[in-house]
Amino acid sequence: DVKVTQSSRYLVKRTGEKVFLECVQDMDHENMFWYRQDPGLGLRLIYFSYDVKMKEKGDIPEGYSVSREKKERFSLILESASTNQTSMYLCASYLHNEQFFGPGTRLTVL
Amino acid sequence: EDKVVQSPLSLVVHEGDTVTLNCSYEVTNFRSLLWYKQEKKAPTFLFMLTSSGIEKKSGRLSSILDKKELFSILNITATQTGDSAVYLCAGRRGTSYGKLTFGQGTILTVHP
Repeated sequence: DVKVTQSSRYLVKRTGEKVFLECVQDMDHENMFWYRQDPGLGLRLIYFSYDVKMKEKGDIPEGYSVSREKKERFSLILESASTNQTSMYLCASYLHNEQFFGPGTRLTVL
Repeated sequence: EDKVVQSPLSLVVHEGDTVTLNCSYEVTNFRSLLWYKQEKKAPTFLFMLTSSGIEKKSGRLSSILDKKELFSILNITATQTGDSAVYLCAGRRGTSYGKLTFGQGTILTVHP
C-alpha cells in the first residue's frame, strides 16, 4: 500500500512565525502536491513538484514556498504565517492516474 | 483556468434513501474525472472516469461521465449512516503531472 505521511496532525503557530510542513511518501512517486482545504472551497492546489528540485506554482501559491531535496520528501514552507493561512493542509503523491493523500495537518495561526 | 463545480453543497437524507451528487467541469484538454470520499481524514479514492456513458460501480455506489455535456454524477443507493462524508470530484488535464482541480465538495449527512 502507498503510504503518505505528514509530520503533524495538528499545529498551532503565531503570526509571523516560519512554519514547515513535511510530507513523505514511500513509493518512489515523482509527482507530489500540496493542497489547502477550506469549508466551501474544496481543495485548492498550492504547489506541486514533478521531480527532485523541480516545482511549479498551483492556483494559490502566494505566501508559500516549497522544497523538494529528496524524491520522497516534499516540504511546504510558510515564510511568515498569517491568520488567513489557518487551514487544513493535505499532501498527495501521484501514480497511475490516482492521487494518494496524507492524513492532513490542521494548522491554526493565532 | 480550469473549473469544477459540485451540487448540491450539502444534503441531508435518511437511511435507505437514494442520492445523486452532481459535478460539472471545464477542464482544458480534459483527461479524466475522479471522485473521492472524505470522512474526518484524508480523501479516499472512489472512481476514475475517462469515457462517456460507461458506468463504474462499486457496491451501492455508481458513477457516470458525460463528456459532451461536461458533467458527472455519483449515485448512492440504499444510503447508510456510514456514507456520511464529504464527496469530492476533481478534473484532470491530459498533460499536467497529475494535477487535479477540485470542486467545493458535497457534504452528505445520512440520518438513521
